[in-house]
Amino acid sequence: GAGVSQSPRYKVAKRGQDVALRCDPISGHVSLFWYQQALGQGPEFLTYFQNEAQLDKSGLPSDRFFAERPEGSVSTLKIQRTQQEDSAVYLCASSPRVAQAREQYFGPGTRLTVT
Amino acid sequence: DQQVKQNSPSLSVQEGRISILNCDYTNSMFDYFLWYKKYPAEGPTFLISISSIKDKNEDGRFTVFLNKSAKHLSLHIVPSQPGDSAVYFCAANRNTGFQKLVFGTGTRLLVSP
Repeated sequence: GAGVSQSPRYKVAKRGQDVALRCDPISGHVSLFWYQQALGQGPEFLTYFQNEAQLDKSGLPSDRFFAERPEGSVSTLKIQRTQQEDSAVYLCASSPRVAQAREQYFGPGTRLTVT
Repeated sequence: DQQVKQNSPSLSVQEGRISILNCDYTNSMFDYFLWYKKYPAEGPTFLISISSIKDKNEDGRFTVFLNKSAKHLSLHIVPSQPGDSAVYFCAANRNTGFQKLVFGTGTRLLVSP
């Protein structure tokens, strides 16, 4: 079956532009996570959805970051007025059940470069 | 505050030998630990995990050891193969909340023929 897909795979934005990153989780997966991976670092948690409910957004670095999952499947991470420090790989992960959110299936990521 | 640490950024091993990747953590609330493997331009893929109630978990060539008193875990790969060359991330989480993973910075393993 299809895995987690993300689009676009690469995005170059000029500082100040808004961007939208899409995640298509594995069909039927309840849990969805967004992570940010800076160069040379491990992924860092941004936000978590259980179906359409955003239950944890403690990792979002600023109010310029916004995520949604309106129908409990596809999710979009939006970054407004991008800054150079937003340059990173943004990873989406999904998991079939809340109780098994520990073992997460990751997409290939979107590499965002802000110039 | 880095709660999960992988102090070796890289490791080189010959094919057929053992690879040992190490990970330390500081948060005593962590009770589940995972290893992920990542190839370039791909997302991390789950490799093996261990609950804090165990001290060892084995899956084929991969074994994870957990030393709770030392807050240390290690991943052993025996025998190592060139296809194992990748970046390995250690991750941890707590059995409360929404089980978000806390990752280390990764160790790049190179297995040479």
